[in-house]
Formats: sequence, C-alpha cells, structure tokens
Amino acid sequence: GQQLNQSPQSMFIQEGEDVSMNCTSSSIFNTWLWYKQDPGEGPVLLIALYKAGELTSNGRLTAQFGITRKDSFLNISASIPSDVGIYFCAPAYNQGGKLIFGQGTELSVKP
Amino acid sequence: NAGVMQNPRHLVRRRGQEARLRCSPMKGHSHVYWYRQLPEEGLKFMVYLQKENIIDESGMPKERFSAEFPKEGPSILRIQQVVRGDSAAYFCASSPPVQGGLETQYFGPGTRLLVL
Repeated sequence: GQQLNQSPQSMFIQEGEDVSMNCTSSSIFNTWLWYKQDPGEGPVLLIALYKAGELTSNGRLTAQFGITRKDSFLNISASIPSDVGIYFCAPAYNQGGKLIFGQGTELSVKP
Repeated sequence: NAGVMQNPRHLVRRRGQEARLRCSPMKGHSHVYWYRQLPEEGLKFMVYLQKENIIDESGMPKERFSAEFPKEGPSILRIQQVVRGDSAAYFCASSPPVQGGLETQYFGPGTRLLVL
C-alpha cells in the first residue's frame, strides 16, 4: 500500500520564527490539501494545491505541490501564538475522492 | 452560512450498545465523507456517500458499521454492538458537486465516542 510520511512530528519554536513541514509519499497524488486542527475541533482547510509545481500562499502560509507529485511542503512565516495546533497534509488521488491524512505535525509557539 | 454540523459532540456508550452519529452537510453540499481519528493519529477515511448512494466504503469495517445519507435528513453513521476499540473521534466532511475541479472537503467539529 501507499506510504505517507509527514515530518517533523512536533516542533517547539519561538514566536516570530518561520516554520517548515513536509509530506512525502511513495505514491503519486493529484491534489494536496493542508489542514490545521485545534484541540477538540475538526480540521480546518488552510491551502489546496491542484497542479504539480503549484506554489500557493494564504497570508503567512505558503505551500507547494512537488513537481514529482509525491510531496508537498507548508511554510509558516513569522509565527504567532495562535498558530499552535496540529497540521496535517491530506493528499487525494481523484477528484471527489477520499483524503489520505499524514500523521500530523504538532506546533508549539513560545511567546 | 452554517458549516458542517455534527451531533452529538460527545457520546458515551457501554459495550454492546448502539451508537448513532449524525452529520448535516453544508448547504448545497451533496457529498458526505466520514473519517475516524484515534488519539495521537491522523484521520482515517471510512466511507464516502452521495444522496441515497454509497460511493466508496473501502475504509469501513465490514461488521457492525453502516452509513447512510438519505434523500431527506442528515447522514447517519451507525455502530452496532460497540466495543472499547470503537472509542475515537468521528468526523464528517462535506463537499459540493464536482464542477471541473476537486471538491474541497469541509469538516465538522466531530463526535467523540467513548465506550465504557
């Protein structure tokens, strides 16, 4: 079966620092989504990527869909305390298909 | 515009009882997905439904679990004869019909099931 690896598993950073996390897979995907989950809540969509090589920004967040279609990264610039949470990559094979979730990156930001 | 709604938010059941989890998709969304999340893990796909049809149930256990999305009313995930291993957070997501691109999935707040 396909393998999806998300790293790092956790990060402890100082407020104002930049953050980078990534997901790699043994399979080719057609779409990469990035979600954030706060404790006790459902995942909230941050960025959606639909084309290989695509680079998309949403405020302080930037994500890229790898050219091989097997990986993606998410960067957060100038982190703030409300960035705390668990970030998941969630690629999909098909339009309208199920999402495959990574293991998550838990981000802690020290004020 | 209300988001995806799930109820109950918390559900406690004893072993052997039935659990019914409800999901009302966002307005205009006709596709519903159910995912399960165990502690310290990512979400795992269970089932994908459109109105009155199950499209993909490859992630759903063959026994005790069933899902429906009737023409009227919410989608229901039903777990019969619950066991302790069913304790998890169950999330519903909805998306609009495909219009030439990927339908983005929007998640509800989840139902936390605890089996005693």
